[in-house]
Amino acid sequence: GENVEQHPSTLSVQEGDNSIINCAYSNSASDYFIWYKQESGKGPQFIIDIRSNVGEKKDQRIAVTLNKTAKHFSLHITETQPEDSAVYFCAAEEGGSYIPTFGRGTSLIVHP
Amino acid sequence: DAGVIQSPRHEVTEMGQEVTLRCKPISGHNSLFWYRQTMMRGLELLIYFNNNVPIDDSGMPEDRFSAKMPNASFSTLKIQPSEPRDSAVYFCASSAFSNQPQHFGDGTRLSIL
Repeated sequence: GENVEQHPSTLSVQEGDNSIINCAYSNSASDYFIWYKQESGKGPQFIIDIRSNVGEKKDQRIAVTLNKTAKHFSLHITETQPEDSAVYFCAAEEGGSYIPTFGRGTSLIVHP
Repeated sequence: DAGVIQSPRHEVTEMGQEVTLRCKPISGHNSLFWYRQTMMRGLELLIYFNNNVPIDDSGMPEDRFSAKMPNASFSTLKIQPSEPRDSAVYFCASSAFSNQPQHFGDGTRLSIL
């Protein structure tokens, strides 16, 4: 099975700083990696994903990087804003499985 | 796109009562997932359907839990009898294909007194 370790559990930054959240996975057959953002009272919402044949993907202020050798992927948020405050979850999925394994979440707190 | 719709949003009931949670997935999505979220355990997968057929129910905690998907646009998760330790937020999610993002509803916050 897959195990996904997510760090840190809490990340506190100042507005305008860059934020990085890290995930390590155990199953070398995992080839699809996803990040979700969960705001209070809502379900997790997809923000960005990456497949194993790509090392980095960007979408405006967010980016995901993947190191398959190290079995590690990260979420990068540049110029973090107060509206980025939420809990972020990473997930890893083996090809064809339909079932992602989620990390335990990172609470991102952005101070104005 | 209306997104995944769950009802009710909140449920408070006494232990021993039957609880039924409902989910309408996104039209055209062929996979549906039920999750439970707690502070202690995080996000746990309870059961997964593909084309209305239960594929993996290994996460269902006990026989008190059951789930059905009678058609492509509706699923239920039932707890009978309910216990205080079932208190959690229950999410339904759907996806179109393998290796595609899941789309989550806003959840049902369940409190068993």
